[in-house]
Amino acid sequence: KAGVTQTPRYLIKTRGQQVTLSCSPISGHRSVSWYQQTPGQGLQFLFEYFSETQRNKGNFPGRFSGRQFSNSRSEMNVSTLELGDSALYLCASSPGTEPNTGELFFGEGSRLTVL
Amino acid sequence: GQNIDQPTEMTATEGAIVQINCTYQTSGFNGLFWYQQHAGEAPTFLSYNVLDGLEEKGRFSSFLSRSKGYSYLLLKELQMKDSASYLCAVTDSNYQLIWGAGTKLIIKP
Repeated sequence: KAGVTQTPRYLIKTRGQQVTLSCSPISGHRSVSWYQQTPGQGLQFLFEYFSETQRNKGNFPGRFSGRQFSNSRSEMNVSTLELGDSALYLCASSPGTEPNTGELFFGEGSRLTVL
Repeated sequence: GQNIDQPTEMTATEGAIVQINCTYQTSGFNGLFWYQQHAGEAPTFLSYNVLDGLEEKGRFSSFLSRSKGYSYLLLKELQMKDSASYLCAVTDSNYQLIWGAGTKLIIKP
């Protein structure tokens, strides 16, 4: 069974640009969550999608957006990049209809550097 | 606000036992997770506690006290491969996961 796949793994952007990250969940999983991870801060929840609907959203500015497609693949977009957006962006999938009450399966992450 | 506290770093010796504590203050509680994350890798699931008590899974055990807002992860017979960060996370009343900053565990021979 293939795991969660995130692309690209590494990317470098400059301030003001935008970026799109992709996540393919484990086959059969309908929930996809996105997290931002920075040293010393832990994982910060961005949003969660279930069956193409945003089910939950964290406290991030509107520059951060996402969507989920009918095949459960998800994308997140960050517009007008700032230096502080440099981080590891993790995607996690789960099969459950009830959010965050079961194991999350994480991808390897997309490491974004903003110069 | 919501808060999860765990030590930043701990050091232990190969073959020994280590206990990593986690205290939480969240709006509601719907479960507590422990994840392991090796440097440069994705977090992997270790345990999920919803009810009070101790759950054992091989060399790893996790304990929960909801009345005290407290959990610990116990690692026995430490191996060098256990060197990693251990993340504590709580599902709140809105079913959002609140994460601690993680505990970096260093195992020395």
